[in-house]
Amino acid sequence: GAGVSQSPSNKVTEKGKDVELRCDPISGHTALYWYRQSLGQGLEFLIYFQGNSAPDKSGLPSDRFSAERTGGSVSTLTIQRTQQEDSAVYLCASSSQGGGQPQHFGDGTRLSIL
Amino acid sequence: GESVGLHLPTLSVQEGDNSIINCAYSNSASDYFIWYKQESGKGPQFIIDIRSNMDKRQGQRVTVLLNKTVKHLSLQIAATQPGDSAVYFCAENFQGAQKLVFGQGTRLTINP
Repeated sequence: GAGVSQSPSNKVTEKGKDVELRCDPISGHTALYWYRQSLGQGLEFLIYFQGNSAPDKSGLPSDRFSAERTGGSVSTLTIQRTQQEDSAVYLCASSSQGGGQPQHFGDGTRLSIL
Repeated sequence: GESVGLHLPTLSVQEGDNSIINCAYSNSASDYFIWYKQESGKGPQFIIDIRSNMDKRQGQRVTVLLNKTVKHLSLQIAATQPGDSAVYFCAENFQGAQKLVFGQGTRLTINP
């Protein structure tokens, strides 16, 4: 079946603008994760959704970052008033359950802040 | 804080040889480990996982070994091919936690 789909694949925007990144998880997966990957670095956890539970927002770097997951499926990561340090690849993953299960990743959105 | 790290940032191997990528973890409460492969411009691709009640698990051309005594994880790739060139990440899942903690990655290059 289809994997995790992210859009756009690339986004270039000016400093101070807001951006929205979209993630379509694998159908039936209840858990959804957002990560950030800076150039040549590992993955930094941002936020986790599981079913109807309150999301784990412990990884969000500032209050400019927020995420929603509507209907238990599609998720949107929003970055307000973007800064140059927000430039990175934003990766979404989903899994059939929460912890202790493999997470399957999309190919990410490469965000560049000018 | 707890972290997962890799011993070597880069590794070059001759095509056809076997490769071993190592990973150290520090949290004895971690009970689930995963190896991912990431090619340029792509998201991480699941390779193999192992739970803490196992010492070894084999897949197709890959084997993961877990040594809980020294908190060490390794990924063995047999008969390497050019397509194996990528960055490999290990990740751990703390018992009861939901998120994975990733290491910094090892870049594997397969030389023809």
